[in-house]
Amino acid sequence: DARVTQTPRHKVTEMGQEVTMRCQPILGHNTVFWYRQTMMQGLELLAYFRNRAPLDDSGMPKDRFSAEMPDATLATLKIQPSEPRDSAVYFCASAANGGYNEQFFGPGTRLTVL
Amino acid sequence: AQSVTQLGSHVSVSEGALVLLRCNYSSSVPPYLFWYVQYPNQGLQLLLKYTSAATLVKGINGFEAEFKKSETSFHLTKPSAHMSDAAEYFCAVSESGGSYIPTFGRGTSLIVHP
Repeated sequence: DARVTQTPRHKVTEMGQEVTMRCQPILGHNTVFWYRQTMMQGLELLAYFRNRAPLDDSGMPKDRFSAEMPDATLATLKIQPSEPRDSAVYFCASAANGGYNEQFFGPGTRLTVL
Repeated sequence: AQSVTQLGSHVSVSEGALVLLRCNYSSSVPPYLFWYVQYPNQGLQLLLKYTSAATLVKGINGFEAEFKKSETSFHLTKPSAHMSDAAEYFCAVSESGGSYIPTFGRGTSLIVHP
C-alpha cells in the first residue's frame, strides 16, 4: 500500500529554534508539493518540485524557509529561525507527472512554535 | 490565472439528505478539476477528478460532480448523506497546458446531523 510518509507527526519547539520536516514521496512519483494549512489562511502551497528541481517556491517566506530534495526519496522543509506564526500543519504531497494528476497527501506534521 | 471559489464555509445536512457542495472556478484554458476530502487529523485524499472526458464524474463513497463549462462550476453531490461523510471538502483546479500547479479552494466543512 503505497503512501506518502512524513516525520515527525508532531513537533513542539520554541521560537528561534530550527525545525526540519521530512517527507518520503511515493516511489516513482516525480512531483512533490509542500503545503501549509491554518484556520486563517486555509491550504497554502509553499513549494513545488518536479524531478527534484524546485519549480515554484513563491509561496514560501524566503528569509526563513527552505525546501530541498536531496534525492528522489526524500524532501525536506526547514524553518530557521522558527516563529509562533509558523504554527500550522504542514503537508507533503506527491504526484506522478505533474499537478494535473491526483496528489497523494501525507498525514502532515503539526508544528507548534511557542 | 486560475482560481477557485467554494460557496459556504460550512454546510449542514441531516443524515439521508442530499449533499450539495458548490465550487466555481476561473481558468483561461480548459481546466482539470478535483474534489478532495479531509477527515480530522488526516491529509487530503482524492474523491474524484475531471480531465475533459465525461462531464459527469463519479467518485468514491457515492459522490459525483458535474462539470458545467457555461457556468464555470463543478459542484459535488451525493444523494444521501451518511454520518461518516462529515469532513472538510476541497475543490481544486489545475490548468492544462500550463505549469499544472493546482489551486485549492478554502474548503467547505460538511456537518451531518443524525
